[in-house]
Amino acid sequence: KQEVTQIPAALSVPEGENLVLNCSFTDSAIYNLQWFRQDPGKGLTSLLLIQSSQREQTSGRLNASLDKSSGRSTLYIAASQPGDSATYLCAVGRSQGNLIFGKGTKLSVKP
Amino acid sequence: DAGVIQSPRHEVTEMGQEVTLRCKPISGHNSLFWYRQTMMRGLELLIYFNNNVPIDDSGMPEDRFSAKMPNASFSTLKIQPSEPRDSAVYFCASSEPSGLYNEQFFGPGTRLTVL
Repeated sequence: KQEVTQIPAALSVPEGENLVLNCSFTDSAIYNLQWFRQDPGKGLTSLLLIQSSQREQTSGRLNASLDKSSGRSTLYIAASQPGDSATYLCAVGRSQGNLIFGKGTKLSVKP
Repeated sequence: DAGVIQSPRHEVTEMGQEVTLRCKPISGHNSLFWYRQTMMRGLELLIYFNNNVPIDDSGMPEDRFSAKMPNASFSTLKIQPSEPRDSAVYFCASSEPSGLYNEQFFGPGTRLTVL
């Protein structure tokens, strides 16, 4: 059974810092991996999707990497801003299409 | 482009009442997913459809829950009778025909409170 773990559960950093959020999964037979952002009381916003054949994806200040063999993905946020404060969710996609989510990392960026 | 649309956004009901949640996927998407989010369990898949056909409903908690997708642009999730432990945020998501991407797009969710 696929399990997705995100560490740490919460993270507080000063504005301007570069930071890394971690995601690990137990079964390397994945179809893709998706990172989401969730603001309090809101839905999920897709940030990046990495196909199983890819090693990384970049969008603006965000970079996500994938190492299937070790069951790990990281989300790198450069030059963090207070507006980046949110919960970041990692989700592993199966070939059938459904996602298995981690519990998320709650990020707080202090001005 | 309109994203995934869910209604209602908030629902407060009493135990034993029937609750119906609605979802309109993004036009052209042929896969639709219902998820539930709670503090204790996080986000969990309840059921998903492909081309209006239920593919996996193993996440549906019990017979009180049912879901339908009568056409490509509409789906419902029904709880009858509702119980306080059903209180959660229910999300609907959709994705394009399976192929290279399978990226899922989520609606704003329905916050359900069962008293």
